Amino acid sequence: GQSLEQPSEVTAVEGAIVQINCTYQTSGFYGLSWYQQHDGGAPTFLSYNALDGLEETGRFSSFLSRSDSYGYLLLQELQMKDSASYFCALPYNFNKFYFGSGTKLNVKP
Amino acid sequence: GAVVSQHPSWVICKSGTSVKIECRSLDFQATTMFWYRQFPKQSLMLMATSNEGSKATYEQGVEKDKFLINHASLTLSTLTVTSAHPEDSSFYICSARETGVLGEQYFGPGTRLTVT
Repeated sequence: GQSLEQPSEVTAVEGAIVQINCTYQTSGFYGLSWYQQHDGGAPTFLSYNALDGLEETGRFSSFLSRSDSYGYLLLQELQMKDSASYFCALPYNFNKFYFGSGTKLNVKP
Repeated sequence: GAVVSQHPSWVICKSGTSVKIECRSLDFQATTMFWYRQFPKQSLMLMATSNEGSKATYEQGVEKDKFLINHASLTLSTLTVTSAHPEDSSFYICSARETGVLGEQYFGPGTRLTVT
C-alpha cells in the first residue's frame, strides 16, 4: 500500500519562504507529485519529481530524495493568493494516485 | 494544460433520488478517468477508475451498485449516485491523465452534492 505524511497546517508571512515536507511509503515508486487546491476549487498540478534533486518552476520548487523517501515543496516570495491546501501525491499502479492529507498554508500580510 | 470540465458544479437532491455527474476532457482524449470524493478539509479519496469501453474498477469499500460509472467515449465519463442519502453529500471530483504523462493529472472543477 501507500502512505504519505505531511504537516496539517503551516503559517507564513507575505514575501517569506516556506517549505512543506512530505514523507512517503510505497511498494512501487513512480515519483512524487504536488498539487494545490484553493477552498472550493479543484486541485491543480504544481510539480512532479521522479528522480532525486530539485525541480524549479517559477516561485515553486520541489525536491525529492528517494533514499530518504522524502520530498518537499518550496514556495518563495509568498503571496496572499498562495493561501491554499497543498497535497503531495503518489502515482501507483501506473495510473492511480494516492493523495496525502494535505497541508493548509496560511499566508499573512 | 489540458482542460477537464464537470457538470453540474453543484446539485441538491432529495434522499432516495439519483444524481448523474458528467466529466469531460475538452481538448484531449482520455482512455482513463478517475473519480474522487473529498469531505470538507480532508484529502481526496479515489473512488474508482473509469475505463473507456470497459467496466470501471472500484477501490476497496466503494459500493459499485451505488456509484455507477459509465465511460462511453474517449471524452466523457459519468458518475451516477443512486438512491442518494445524506451521507453521500460530498465534493466529487473527476480527473484525467494524458497518455504517457506520468505524475500529472487534470482535475475537473468538482461537483458539490447535497442530499437533503
